Amino acid sequence: DVVMTQSPLSLPVTLGQPASISCRSSQSLVHSDGNTYLSWFQQRPGQSPRRLIYEVSDRDSGVPDRFSGSGSGIDFTLKINRVEAEDVGVYYCMQGTHWPWTFGQGTKVE
Amino acid sequence: EVQLVESGGGLVQPGGSLRLSCAASGFTFSSYWMSWVRQAPGKGLEWVANIKQDGSEKYYVDSVMGRFTISRDNAKNSLYLQMNTLRAEDTAIFYCARADMIGTTDHWGQGTLVTVSS
Repeated sequence: DVVMTQSPLSLPVTLGQPASISCRSSQSLVHSDGNTYLSWFQQRPGQSPRRLIYEVSDRDSGVPDRFSGSGSGIDFTLKINRVEAEDVGVYYCMQGTHWPWTFGQGTKVE
Repeated sequence: EVQLVESGGGLVQPGGSLRLSCAASGFTFSSYWMSWVRQAPGKGLEWVANIKQDGSEKYYVDSVMGRFTISRDNAKNSLYLQMNTLRAEDTAIFYCARADMIGTTDHWGQGTLVTVSS
């Protein structure tokens, strides 16, 4: 199975400042169709996960543009341009290139 | 508006069975792959199973292979997860999710809690 490793696991942030989460996969996430199926999810306390980013860098509808995704191959990053109070929660990367789909351990932004 | 509503969770003894359901609305259910994802209390997310639009393809994580069965009824806009031989480590919130494109899910339900304990 593809192992997804996130860092850091805990990320203290300052409101208005940028924040960055790294996600590394144990093998390339480039699919045979040429696309890279790496997504980012946000889970606020007591809520279901919400997708923010798909295919590395495409932002979902309604997601603030302070969130951005980048990377390729095995190294990926989620950046929050200026952290707001509503951004507190746990963030997960997930690969959907290889079966079984696998998630990172989660990064708690607090 | 896309809605996914899970039901069927509860307390079950080790070795027991449970059937989860997910009622879908607000979209053409038969056009989408669907997924089950679980989250043990205080832990991270674990993908459990996927099923193709017509039910002809199914994929499972190794830890549930042979014990869990994913199925769907497109006429009823419903997704199911039959869980047999349950273990304590299966205790989790189970989420139903829609796969809007290859390799990812967009909408998730609110989840249903399964507790396996004697």
